Amino acid sequence: EAQVTQNPRYLITVTGKKLTVTCSQNMNHEYMSWYRQDPGLGLRQIYYSMNVEVTDKGDVPEGYKVSRKEKRNFPLILESPSPNQTSLYFCACSFNGPEGPSTDTQYFGPGTRLTVL
Amino acid sequence: GDSVTQMEGPVTLSEEAFLTINCTYTATGYPSLFWYVQYPGEGLQLLLKATKADDKGSNKGFEATYRKETTSFHLEKGSVQVSDSAVYFCALSGYSTLTFGKGTMLLVSP
Repeated sequence: EAQVTQNPRYLITVTGKKLTVTCSQNMNHEYMSWYRQDPGLGLRQIYYSMNVEVTDKGDVPEGYKVSRKEKRNFPLILESPSPNQTSLYFCACSFNGPEGPSTDTQYFGPGTRLTVL
Repeated sequence: GDSVTQMEGPVTLSEEAFLTINCTYTATGYPSLFWYVQYPGEGLQLLLKATKADDKGSNKGFEATYRKETTSFHLEKGSVQVSDSAVYFCALSGYSTLTFGKGTMLLVSP
């Protein structure tokens, strides 16, 4: 079954304690992306990756890091979380076609609800 | 930059009512347009898409037509069901990013 998995699904942490949210996909897609979803703001892109070892900033990258060492995994790292990073996070992937990955269907993970106290 | 504007919700309907959720966009070039749906507690999933002007996307009884002249991509369904209760997101594609609207919650009562 084609899927995107995220771990953990729920996390409560404290300010400044480094954390990593993992994302893994089994569709062999080149493109992966992280979004955060906040009430009244919709989804905003944090970082994306067009392929292994290629990452780029989205609209709201401050306070986040990513890496793409292998095709299937795209972890999101919060080195020093702050309360304004409390949010619902989604990982997504898609095929990177000739007109770009965003013209193709994006497949989303189930989400990670993060609370930073 | 690119932007998507959706009608604010929640939209509250009775079962079998007609649904319209408005979506307008601002973009350079000729983006593809999408509707994604998010059921409670789940991630987003693609509902339908259209890649060029006058294309109509359709799925599960939902339809939307890509109107370049009015820069719109309104979502419609002739008869909603309780199971359609969800949050609906309109989105447009850049080359490497999707720009989402803020989402419209739909609540359908029996």
